[in-house]
Formats: sequence, C-alpha cells, structure tokens
Amino acid sequence: GEDVEQSLFLSVREGDSSVINCTYTDSSSTYLYWYKQEPGAGLQLLTYIFSNMDMKQDQRLTVLLNKKDKHLSLRIADTQTGDSAIYFCAESFRTGANNLFFGTGTRLTVIP
Amino acid sequence: EAGVTQFPSHSVIEKGQTVTLRCDPISGHDNLYWYRRVMGKEIKFLLHFVKESKQDESGMPNNRFLAERTGGTYSTLKVQPAELEDSGVYFCASSQRTVSGANVLTFGAGSRLTVL
Repeated sequence: GEDVEQSLFLSVREGDSSVINCTYTDSSSTYLYWYKQEPGAGLQLLTYIFSNMDMKQDQRLTVLLNKKDKHLSLRIADTQTGDSAIYFCAESFRTGANNLFFGTGTRLTVIP
Repeated sequence: EAGVTQFPSHSVIEKGQTVTLRCDPISGHDNLYWYRRVMGKEIKFLLHFVKESKQDESGMPNNRFLAERTGGTYSTLKVQPAELEDSGVYFCASSQRTVSGANVLTFGAGSRLTVL
C-alpha cells in the first residue's frame, strides 16, 4: 500500500529549527516530496528527493531520507513566522501513472 | 504564467443536491489530477487525466462522482447526489508529461465543499 504518516501538529519558537517527520510503508517509491500549504492557498512544492539519495539541502531546507527505516524528514533552519503552514510529504512510484500519495499533513505553528 | 485555477472556492449545498467543480490547469500540461482532503485526513488521490483520457480513476469513491476533461483542457468534477461524507476540499493539480522523473505537480487553491 501507500500509507504515508505524519504527526498532526508541531510548534516551535521563531529562530529555532523545525523538524517535520514522515514515515511511509512502500519502499518502492522513486521520489519523495515536501509540499507546503499556507492558509487559503494551494499546495506549493518545496523540494523533492530521489529515493537513492540520503540528503538534499536547499537554503534553509534540509531533507533527510532513511530508506532502511522508510523515514523522511524536513528540517527548516531559523524558522520564521512565515513558515507557519501545513506541510505534506508525498511519494510517487516508477510504475503506474506516477501519482503522488500524500500524508495527513503537519501543521507547523511558529511562536514569535 | 497563470497557475491552476479552481471554481468555486467554496460551495455549500444540501444533501441530495448536485455540485460541479471546475479546474483550469496550466496551459500545455497534459496531466491533470483531482485529489480530496477530508478534514484532518490525508490528501487522497481521486483520478488522473492525460489530455482528455482518464488514465487512472481508481480513487473515485463511487459512481456519484463523474469527472470529465473535454478537449484535454479544463476539467469538471460533478457530485450527484451529494452526501454528507463528500464534504472536504477538492484539489486539482496539473503537470507536464513525465516519463520516469519526478512528477512536479502545481496545485490549485482547492474547492471547499460543505454538504449539509
């Protein structure tokens, strides 16, 4: 199956690092994604990682992938109030229509 | 470049009524997807078009849902008759044709459906 799980809530203080975690069950995924949804807006792609990679860094964002444990994380350095949003992880597979399968989303609240 | 637009942004209907949601994808994007998020749950795949053809409709909940993409441009998703459990946010997304690479979806803002 394509079960993707995330914790529902995370609160951090402004300036601290945030770590949002995601676990998935199907190890045949080819790409894993992080999307951000701000209030009233659609999902915005933040970054994605190929399943053969361990890490990807893009400015304040660091994605870590532990394929053995089927665990994906998104670290946001120096978290700002503008980072408050819902963060969704998703996976896609080589077979089929390359659809994305999403988790429940983690609501990040940044406390000033 | 215009993004993915969805209409209406919010619809409130009574159980048994009909609602049609519309999605205009990014011009030139062959792939069009419909997803749904019920409150607090994961975003669930409904179906996928490649141009005007339904590639995968395995996520459609039942035959009360009908999706079309006439001419391979905009798409509509009709719910008839609506039930209480159909309430949620319906997202549309589009992407360029992919072969084996990452599928970079661009999402619309969603259509919130409330069935009373």
